[in-house]
Amino acid sequence: GAGVSQTPSNKVTEKGKYVELRCDPISGHTALYWYRQSLGQGPEFLIYFQGTGAADDSGLPNDRFFAVRPEGSVSTLKIQRTERGDSAVYLCASSPMGTSGSSNEQFFGPGTRLTVL
Amino acid sequence: DQQVKQNSPSLSVQEGRISILNCDYTNSMFDYFLWYKKYPAEGPTFLISISSIKDKNEDGRFTVFLNKSAKHLSLHIVPSQPGDSAVYFCAATHSGNTGKLIFGQGTTLQVKP
Repeated sequence: GAGVSQTPSNKVTEKGKYVELRCDPISGHTALYWYRQSLGQGPEFLIYFQGTGAADDSGLPNDRFFAVRPEGSVSTLKIQRTERGDSAVYLCASSPMGTSGSSNEQFFGPGTRLTVL
Repeated sequence: DQQVKQNSPSLSVQEGRISILNCDYTNSMFDYFLWYKKYPAEGPTFLISISSIKDKNEDGRFTVFLNKSAKHLSLHIVPSQPGDSAVYFCAATHSGNTGKLIFGQGTTLQVKP
């Protein structure tokens, strides 16, 4: 079956530009998570959606980062005025529901590698 | 502050032997722990998990042990196979939050034929 997909797989941009990263979760999964993985580190939580609403955005590093999920399915992570420090792999994950426990295994997409020159 | 730590960046074992990957955590609120495996250019894939009410969970060649008093968990793979070569991430979460995972830095496992 179809897993979580993310586009583009790679994105190279210049400092100061705006970028959008897209995530298509597994159909029927109500919970969607964005993580960021820097080189040599584990994934770091950014934001969590339950349905259409951002239930937890405590991981967003600053107001240059924003994410939407208008119809409760596809999500877009938006980064304004990109900086070199934003370079990382951005991972999206979805799960049937937004709780911890065995019923809430998170399924990850392959990620988008963002490089800011 | 790093709430989940994997202090060994890499581990190399011989095929057929046991691989032991370690993970420490600091937040006593964590009550659910997971191990994810990651191949290059792919997203992490779920491997095995354990609830804080247990001290051991086994699934085939993979066993996770939890020592709550020491705030330590470990993943045992036996026998190790070359296809197990990957980066392994320990992650933790706690009930009552949003299910967001707190990951360790990862350990790169190499299994030599």
